[in-house]
Amino acid sequence: DAGVTQSPTHLIKTRGQHVTLRCSPISGHKSVSWYQQVLGQGPQFIFQYYEKEERGRGNFPDRFSARQFPNYSSELNVNALLLGDSALYLCASSLRAGGMNTEAFFGQGTRLTVV
Amino acid sequence: AQKITQTQPGMFVQEKEAVTLDCTYDTSDPSYGLFWYKQPSSGEMIFLIYQGSYDQQNATEGRYSLNFQKARKSANLVISASQLGDSAMYFCAMREVDQTGANNLFFGTGTRLTVIP
Repeated sequence: DAGVTQSPTHLIKTRGQHVTLRCSPISGHKSVSWYQQVLGQGPQFIFQYYEKEERGRGNFPDRFSARQFPNYSSELNVNALLLGDSALYLCASSLRAGGMNTEAFFGQGTRLTVV
Repeated sequence: AQKITQTQPGMFVQEKEAVTLDCTYDTSDPSYGLFWYKQPSSGEMIFLIYQGSYDQQNATEGRYSLNFQKARKSANLVISASQLGDSAMYFCAMREVDQTGANNLFFGTGTRLTVIP
């Protein structure tokens, strides 16, 4: 079975541009979460989607948006890129939206560099 | 305030020895979950072990065990019989009850473990 797949794996963008990152969850998983991991830090929660609805949002500006499609895949969009948006963007899928012990399965991430 | 604190930026351990990676957490919620993840250089976060706040016994998964001290709010990861493949970043994370039902994780800053042959 395929794990969580993210595309592209690497990306270089210029300040002010827009970027779209994609994530396909594990088959049967309905929840997708996005995390930003800046170099030297732990991942920070950006969004969670479950059944195509936003279930949670972290402390990120409105330049960040996301959506989930009927097949449960998801896109993360970032507008007006800043140098500080350079990071590894991780997608995690899980069976359920909540549940204390719900295991999150992570993809290998998209490494975004803004120049 | 930081929800998860990992005070060891880097740790070294001799192959076949045991090592403890420290993690303290901060929450006022009685119900929470604690996780440890391994992140190799490839970037993927690999789940290692889970401990629920109401679990009476310390969690164990193969060579990984979690030393859960609730009163001290600590959840240290113990890796026994270290292997060269254990060299990676290790992150402690916590999940709290969220009103919306979101199951986001709060991560610490990580500990880089290096296993020496």
